[in-house]
Amino acid sequence: EAQVTQNPRYLITVTGKKLTVTCSQNMNHEYMSWYRQDPGLGLRQIYYSMNVEVTDKGDVPEGYKVSRKEKRNFPLILESPSPNQTSLYFCASSLLGTGYNEQFFGPGTRLTVL
Amino acid sequence: SQQGEEDPQALSIQEGENATMNCSYKTSINNLQWYRQNSGRGLVHLILIRSNEREKHSGRLRVTLDTSKKSSSLLITASRAADTASYFCALDSWGKLQFGAGTQVVVTP
Repeated sequence: EAQVTQNPRYLITVTGKKLTVTCSQNMNHEYMSWYRQDPGLGLRQIYYSMNVEVTDKGDVPEGYKVSRKEKRNFPLILESPSPNQTSLYFCASSLLGTGYNEQFFGPGTRLTVL
Repeated sequence: SQQGEEDPQALSIQEGENATMNCSYKTSINNLQWYRQNSGRGLVHLILIRSNEREKHSGRLRVTLDTSKKSSSLLITASRAADTASYFCALDSWGKLQFGAGTQVVVTP
């Protein structure tokens, strides 16, 4: 089944403890992206990647890192999480850049930073 | 950076009625997309309309785009309880996809 998977789905952690949220897609998509969703703010793009080894900042990249070493994986890294990073995170992918393609979203990761 | 602004923020209708929501934006776009989200789940793509298109249909969905007014509308006809969800417009500016805050639609039987 074509899908985007994220792990973990739920995570409670403490300030400063490094964490990684994994994202994987099995559709051979070139474009992958991370978003965070907060009440009243919609989805905001954190980072995106047009292809392997190519990443760019979205609108809210501070406090996050990403890497794209393989086409299928696009992990999101929080080196030193803070409470203001408590949010619902979505990974998404599309065949090419978003210009002419729909994005497929993962199920989301609900992160709480205490 | 720009974001789409949806209007209204919330909409409550009865089954069988039509639901219309609007999205306005400020600068030029490559295309505009509409997504649906059911209660905290992942978003599902509904329709993509390109900047040189004016109207698109998909089943009970109709999307219009007016680039001169920088606005788009999503019409859901003959709504069903299963249409209860949040609807987001997303502006594609050549690599960045920027979402509005969404319209919450509740369809009551």
